[in-house]
Amino acid sequence: DTGVSQNPRHKITKRGQNVTFRCDPISEHNRLYWYRQTLGQGPEFLTYFQNEAQLEKSRLLSDRFSAERPKGSFSTLEIQRTEQGDSAMYLCASSPQSGVSGNTIYFGEGSWLTVV
Amino acid sequence: AQSVTQLDSHVSVSEGTPVLLRCNYSSSYSPSLFWYVQHPNKGLQLLLKYTSAATLVKGINGFEAEFKKSETSFHLTKPSAHMSDAAEYFCVVRSGGGADGLTFGKGTHLIIQP
Repeated sequence: DTGVSQNPRHKITKRGQNVTFRCDPISEHNRLYWYRQTLGQGPEFLTYFQNEAQLEKSRLLSDRFSAERPKGSFSTLEIQRTEQGDSAMYLCASSPQSGVSGNTIYFGEGSWLTVV
Repeated sequence: AQSVTQLDSHVSVSEGTPVLLRCNYSSSYSPSLFWYVQHPNKGLQLLLKYTSAATLVKGINGFEAEFKKSETSFHLTKPSAHMSDAAEYFCVVRSGGGADGLTFGKGTHLIIQP
């Protein structure tokens, strides 16, 4: 093991198409996070899950974005009707415990999306 | 609400000289603070974290940071820079007051001159 695993690592899609990214967190981590990072910027929080429950969504997560974690293990992030402004790296992260702000969040290597 | 300000977008030092990357934060609650490093086209790796224990925190690869509540700062230092330290560095705050996510600074690009 294994760290946080994301795939695909790179995706090029045409504007208007749908894309889906998958994240496999570290085993037994019950919190899972999605972030978006654009060129030259720090990562921005999108959403997080405690087990299968989606506890918070950022205002950045428009109606075209949906995230799921159906069994409390892996998660998917789907973007519908992609726009050029969606081009970014999508980072997944996980952490081992809930409610303890000092627990480390471990990041995957990210999924690069380019919308042409 | 919480926020992070990284005071320098770029820092350039010569190999073997000290590194200082500056970070100031604001938080409504007692924060946890982190430094992450990101090498090109890679994910984020944790360098070190402060969680209300010792105010001087030692991390990996010779980095350390000091939490100064009175100055609301958490600057990252290393006594002697190595070429492999060239990367993007992010100061991050995590507040216990609500949302569980991290708030990132905009990053500091560290350049190491030979």
